[in-house]
Amino acid sequence: QKEVEQDPGPLSVPEGAIVSLNCTYSNSAFQYFMWYRQYSRKGPELLMYTYSSGNKEDGRFTAQVDKSSKYISLFIRDSQPSDSATYLCAMVKAGRRALTFGSGTRLQVQP
Amino acid sequence: EAQVTQNPRYLITVTGKKLTVTCSQNMNHEYMSWYRQDPGLGLRQIYYSMNVEVTDKGDVPEGYKVSRKEKRNFPLILESPSPNQTSLYFCASSQGSASGDQETQYFGPGTRLLVL
Repeated sequence: QKEVEQDPGPLSVPEGAIVSLNCTYSNSAFQYFMWYRQYSRKGPELLMYTYSSGNKEDGRFTAQVDKSSKYISLFIRDSQPSDSATYLCAMVKAGRRALTFGSGTRLQVQP
Repeated sequence: EAQVTQNPRYLITVTGKKLTVTCSQNMNHEYMSWYRQDPGLGLRQIYYSMNVEVTDKGDVPEGYKVSRKEKRNFPLILESPSPNQTSLYFCASSQGSASGDQETQYFGPGTRLLVL
């Protein structure tokens, strides 16, 4: 069983929709949580980083962490065609630097 | 411009022919690592380095070697490549901190390797 599970999609939504992307994890040692965005033929780029339960907002993006349920989410408001990419959740255990990634969810925002 | 560069970007080789993928960062970062990305499996860490001459295995180190002789460079070596090493490879770097808190990892553009 993978330590981090993520629905691969693809997820197709119309422009302007609210997008919800999710990951679950099994190891309570994970303490830091990230969302990366990866465009086709590019390396991942960090979108959001949080280390506590609750919500963190940055523009149209909101990251949510529920450590009790071992569940993290990324919400994208007013989605744009430029948001079309693969979104990867990643987590780090306390005192470590190695990232454990989910398999990624491919998102397509239709104009 | 702050960046992580990798070369080559694309490589086709044959089984058993030694190859090296270079990685260089211009941000004076202490921490560097290599990942491979495969469909359905996401990114998995191969090796990492906390600083010059300090390297350690990640989750999938078999068949790979690394070296860190200079702070800016972290080459990935496949001494005898096999078809199951066909993958997309990413190098990443971050500043590193004594507290151990996670900080932003910057990824290179990727190297697509095909082993025949």
